[in-house]
Amino acid sequence: QQQVKQSPQSLIVQKGGISIINCAYENTAFDYFPWYQQFPGKGPALLIAIRPDVSEKKEGRFTISFNKSAKQFSLHIMDSQPGDSATYFCAARGNTGFQKLVFGTGTRLLVSP
Amino acid sequence: EAEVAQSPRYKITEKSQAVAFWCDPISGHATLYWYRQILGQGPELLVQFQDESVVDDSQLPKDRFSAERLKGVDSTLKIQPAELGDSAMYLCASSLDRQETQYFGPGTRLLVL
Repeated sequence: QQQVKQSPQSLIVQKGGISIINCAYENTAFDYFPWYQQFPGKGPALLIAIRPDVSEKKEGRFTISFNKSAKQFSLHIMDSQPGDSATYFCAARGNTGFQKLVFGTGTRLLVSP
Repeated sequence: EAEVAQSPRYKITEKSQAVAFWCDPISGHATLYWYRQILGQGPELLVQFQDESVVDDSQLPKDRFSAERLKGVDSTLKIQPAELGDSAMYLCASSLDRQETQYFGPGTRLLVL
């Protein structure tokens, strides 16, 4: 019940296209859903995050869509650029106990020029 | 911009040897985390500190791993003895408090031969 399932494992998108990465969770106690971006040899960096009281959050070219009833959330990268090529991780955190971040397995995105 | 510092960046050791990793969190951050990231997977929490106290070490293999944050600032993670399966990236992160954004360091890549 602590898992966050992420898909696809890898994704190739042409420059200018839309990249979509999906995540699903089971634990209804999760109340914070961040997305992290990780470049090779670097630690993950927070990209954008959402709480379940809204269905969508947009920051520049990055949008999170959140479906509370389906327990799913997704990251959309509009106008994808070669510099967006990285591994993306969704995560979730509960609002009780130790409030541990649980990460998905990651999606390796390659944006072709 | 303040960053989480980690050293060493790379470590090669033989199995049964002892290894230690060091982390200096962002100044003023009360919460410190150690994660292990196996290649192709998301980070998994090993231990979480609130100031100098351990608040979650449920996933830390305590027979061989130890962690300390004696003065509530920097932290050390130790493995003794190292095993082949310990080869991974060890990431340190910090946050102002438990519910705040986690900022990750660049990690220490460990290879056990």
